[in-house]
Amino acid sequence: QSALTQPASVSGSPGQSITISCTGTSSDVGSYNLVSWYQQHPGKAPKLMIYEGSKRPSGVSNRFSGSKSGNTASLTISGLQAEDEADYYCCSYAGRVVFGGGTKLTVL
Amino acid sequence: EVQLVESGGGLVQPGGSLRLSCAASGFTFSSYSMNWVRQAPGKGLEWVSYISSSSSTIYYADSVKGRFTISRDNAKNSLYLQMNSLRAEDTAVYYCARSGSGVPGVYWGQGTLVTVSS
Repeated sequence: QSALTQPASVSGSPGQSITISCTGTSSDVGSYNLVSWYQQHPGKAPKLMIYEGSKRPSGVSNRFSGSKSGNTASLTISGLQAEDEADYYCCSYAGRVVFGGGTKLTVL
Repeated sequence: EVQLVESGGGLVQPGGSLRLSCAASGFTFSSYSMNWVRQAPGKGLEWVSYISSSSSTIYYADSVKGRFTISRDNAKNSLYLQMNSLRAEDTAVYYCARSGSGVPGVYWGQGTLVTVSS
């Protein structure tokens, strides 16, 4: 299976909102609502931020939200903060696990 | 508190073998499926292998099929990855991750580095 497609980088200023897209196919992102999103700071393990497309685990800020339209899932971060600067990965869990290539978020 | 602690990484020559372990605590290990995910230096996440709670279902990425073997010992709360015929492109940090509802990685270990080089 091919990796899901994410933009290599996005940026935003503190307080702004940004959206990271994750494009797959009708066989993965489009077929199931089993997209998850992970945040990874340098040298650290990934952290689950969104699961089943739009659900937040306990302890994750409500500034993080997920959605899906067709074969594209999206992660939106509102009220950007400096600590949000990290790499973000989407993941589809449709029979096999497929990750996106990752997006580096820079908080200006 | 859920804890996953990987071990067994290190430097190995091309063609060599290595066995990774993941010690789990803080949850009922035998009730959850598990995954191995790797990350090459400076690169993104790559799923490696999946094992169901009872070991009845196992999947591998095409890149490691036939060379890697995932297993678990529920009595010892441990997950394993036997890696044979290692290649330079297998160099990565290897994470074990506990699955959840539709999620391959609800909890992650800190990772163990495998370096394949002569």
